[in-house]
Amino acid sequence: EPEVTQTPSHQVTQMGQEVILRCVPISNHLYFYWYRQILGQKVEFLVSFYNNEISEKSEIFDDQFSVERPDGSNFTLKIRSTKLEDSAMYFCASSKGSGSNYEQYFGPGTRLTVT
Amino acid sequence: GNSVTQMEGPVTLSEEAFLTINCTYTATGYPSLFWYVQYPGEGLQLLLKATKADDKGSNKGFEATYRKETTSFHLEKGSVQVSDSAVYFCALSDPSSASKIIFGSGTRLSIRP
Repeated sequence: EPEVTQTPSHQVTQMGQEVILRCVPISNHLYFYWYRQILGQKVEFLVSFYNNEISEKSEIFDDQFSVERPDGSNFTLKIRSTKLEDSAMYFCASSKGSGSNYEQYFGPGTRLTVT
Repeated sequence: GNSVTQMEGPVTLSEEAFLTINCTYTATGYPSLFWYVQYPGEGLQLLLKATKADDKGSNKGFEATYRKETTSFHLEKGSVQVSDSAVYFCALSDPSSASKIIFGSGTRLSIRP
């Protein structure tokens, strides 16, 4: 069964460094998402992406964050100048369509630790 | 704003026990409601969903009924197995958004043999 994959599974970085989290969505899906979960807190929506542009973003997704689909398979989340409070589990998801009739399929997550 | 509140864990039960994980929501409009499950080392998987009031979602022996009058979507299973050990997330589709899912904080469930 097709699945969303994410790399790396765990990333440790120093404060102020840039990180890129990578995701390979399911191949025939058109909508892509990033969510994050700070330890002990709720899973939070960050951004959705369709047709090579951001379709929606949350207030968390500020200028420090960017997303890109650099080729036909990868979907990346870049965090510039990481802060301690960026430490979290980051989940990528994809879906065939938009709206609650289309299931979002989630990857296993990348645990980001900022020291 | 729109939000989901679910019972805190961890919840530990013996095999074949009855399971209830409570979930209530606050939303403007008419959200769809979901339960996601996360097994160790894996991503979030959709367990079941309900799209309108009084709908019952079911899968793998789990059930949840969309109760508009009590704004609840409690997860139940009659007889749990060790393989049900996981983290369970209640969630809703944000009625003001085409794509955003709003999650509860998750409930860790452990089943003893």
